[in-house]
Amino acid sequence: GQNIDQPTEMTATEGAIVQINCTYQTSGFNGLFWYQQHAGEAPTFLSYNVLDGLEEKGRFSSFLSRSKGYSYLLLKELQMKDSASYLCAVRDRNYQLIWGAGTKLIIKP
Amino acid sequence: IAGITQAPTSQILAAGRRMTLRCTQDMRHNAMYWYRQDLGLGLRLIHYSNTAGTTGKGEVPDGYSVSRANTDDFPLTLASAVPSQTSVYFCASSATSGGFDEQFFGPGTRLTVL
Repeated sequence: GQNIDQPTEMTATEGAIVQINCTYQTSGFNGLFWYQQHAGEAPTFLSYNVLDGLEEKGRFSSFLSRSKGYSYLLLKELQMKDSASYLCAVRDRNYQLIWGAGTKLIIKP
Repeated sequence: IAGITQAPTSQILAAGRRMTLRCTQDMRHNAMYWYRQDLGLGLRLIHYSNTAGTTGKGEVPDGYSVSRANTDDFPLTLASAVPSQTSVYFCASSATSGGFDEQFFGPGTRLTVL
């Protein structure tokens, strides 16, 4: 079967750095997405990786290792508004997105 | 309209009733999707449409049907609702079904089946 694993919950301090890991086992690989979802709202796109390496976008970076089936999302200079769930999703060989259950990130002052 | 809209925002439904969740996008996206989101589980794909006039089954299609008569609209119908269909339903769209294209999500419909 296909599987995406992420930690259920993480806590970090305002101004700090946090890394959210995602491991995957899917039938085929056509890219990995990270989305942010605030409580009660819709997911919104953060980043996309299809080749190995790091993609940087302001305070957020995403890393991919296809050989290890592994990605992480790095959030720097944490702000209170970053409190949200972070969803990892992999596009499989049929170009469908397989979603992890999400990591709830709690930011403390 | 800007982006994707869904209606209703929330609904309480008696078991056995028929219900249609509406989804409309104004981005001229070819691909559209219906997901359900349950606590502790990832988004699960119910049905999808890669282009107007075509539909496909996702991971959890049983009890649901869709149609795609035009580019903008993608309604989801529950023929006879059951309590296990209590969930938050998200409609999404993307320019195409492949490549880099990110999915844009509607605000969701919170459905409770009693």
